[in-house]
Amino acid sequence: ILNVEQSPQSLHVQEGDSTNFTCSFPSSNFYALHWYRWETAKSPEALFVMTLNGDEKKKGRISATLNTKEGYSYLYIKGSQPEDSATYLCASYSGGGADGLTFGKGTHLIIQP
Amino acid sequence: KAGVTQTPRYLIKTRGQQVTLSCSPISGHRSVSWYQQTPGQGLQFLFEYFSETQRNKGNFPGRFSGRQFSNSRSEMNVSTLELGDSALYLCASSRGGENNYGYTFGSGTRLTVV
Repeated sequence: ILNVEQSPQSLHVQEGDSTNFTCSFPSSNFYALHWYRWETAKSPEALFVMTLNGDEKKKGRISATLNTKEGYSYLYIKGSQPEDSATYLCASYSGGGADGLTFGKGTHLIIQP
Repeated sequence: KAGVTQTPRYLIKTRGQQVTLSCSPISGHRSVSWYQQTPGQGLQFLFEYFSETQRNKGNFPGRFSGRQFSNSRSEMNVSTLELGDSALYLCASSRGGENNYGYTFGSGTRLTVV
C-alpha cells in the first residue's frame, strides 16, 4: 500500500447502532497514525494519535486500534448519536515525517435518527 | 485559549494573480503546517515550518511558498495562480510533539481562482 486508504467512503448508520471503519496505511517506515473528526463548517479535530503496534485508545464512545505490522487501524463508534455525523480522517506519519501527514480521503458518516 | 486563526476565510482571485494566506497558531505552538484540499482529494501536505525554518516540503510546484515569523505566525504564498489552485487551504499547529497530541487545525481559507 503506497497511500493511505479509508473504507467505506460513506456510511449511513441508524442512531443507537455501533459501527466501525478502516484505515490502511504503508507499514514500512511507520511512525504514527492520526485520526481526526471533521464536522461540516468546522475544523478537523484530533481524536487519537497512535504509535505502537497493538495500541488501543478510547475517548467516550469512540475507540481505535492499531496494527502496524499489517498496516491498518480501525475506528469504532459505539451507540451512534446524531452528533457523531462527520467525516473521519486518518493520516499516517512515516519515514521521519518528510512528507508531513499523508491523509486518506475520509469516511463520511451519517447517523440517521 | 484562542484556536488556530486563518485569514481570510474566503478569497476570489483571477488566474495569473498571486495570493497570500495567513495562519496564526495557538500560543506556544512553534510548528505550523499547511495542507490543500481539492474536491475528491484527501488533504495534501504543502509544507511545515518550525521555529522560522521550513522543516518539510510536500510535492507542490515552486509557485507555492511559505514563511514563518518569529511569533510563529505563518504565511503561504501562491504565485501565478491557476484554476486548479482553487481549494480549501488548511493550516495546523502543534507544539512540535504532534505525534503525541496531534495537530490543531484552523477553519481554512477557501480560495477560488477564476
